[in-house]
Amino acid sequence: DTAVSQTPKYLVTQMGNDKSIKCEQNLGHDTMYWYKQDSKKFLKIMFSYNNKELIINETVPNRFSPKSPDKAHLNLHINSLELGDSAVYFCASSQSSYGYTFGSGTRLTVV
Amino acid sequence: AQSVTQPDIHITVSEGASLELRCNYSYGATPYLFWYVQSPGQGLQLLLKYFSGDTLVQGIKGFEAEFKRSQSSFNLRKPSVHWSDAAEYFCAVASPRNEKLTFGTGTRLTIIP
Repeated sequence: DTAVSQTPKYLVTQMGNDKSIKCEQNLGHDTMYWYKQDSKKFLKIMFSYNNKELIINETVPNRFSPKSPDKAHLNLHINSLELGDSAVYFCASSQSSYGYTFGSGTRLTVV
Repeated sequence: AQSVTQPDIHITVSEGASLELRCNYSYGATPYLFWYVQSPGQGLQLLLKYFSGDTLVQGIKGFEAEFKRSQSSFNLRKPSVHWSDAAEYFCAVASPRNEKLTFGTGTRLTIIP
């Protein structure tokens, strides 16, 4: 069983569209995250949720809206996609900082 | 604010040679420190982590790292690299309070025969 699973793995879409990325973890962790990896491989946190509550919201455009229906799921919805949104998005989970487990990533390409 | 510096963007070593990847952090207290590896097109795999205690940490795949508080460093080492070690390596720091994981810019490791 995959510990942190993301879907889809690849996403190609046109500018202006709205898309969602789903993430699920089966580790029982309380905290989940979204990270963005840009074309230069730089990884930056976007959001974190703890037990469905938003904890960290870095300076991310409000076109990005995370949603956590329960502590095992953290989805990322993106409105009005722009070329600059093209990146790899990683979901992760952790329990009291004793280790962060990452998903395999979603490569988003906006054309 | 916490930050991580990986001064080497790209390192090339011969297969069988030893390896050291540098990592310096900035944080007001003792942070949690991590090394992750990312193979091309793959996710992030945890190599090792330091929270407290023994400053020499053993990880998977034969890697180790040493926490040096006086130098604010957490360098990654391996005595003999294998071709399969070619990947991107990320050092990261987390605050024990808010669990925010901050990454360095990564070091790309190339292995030559």
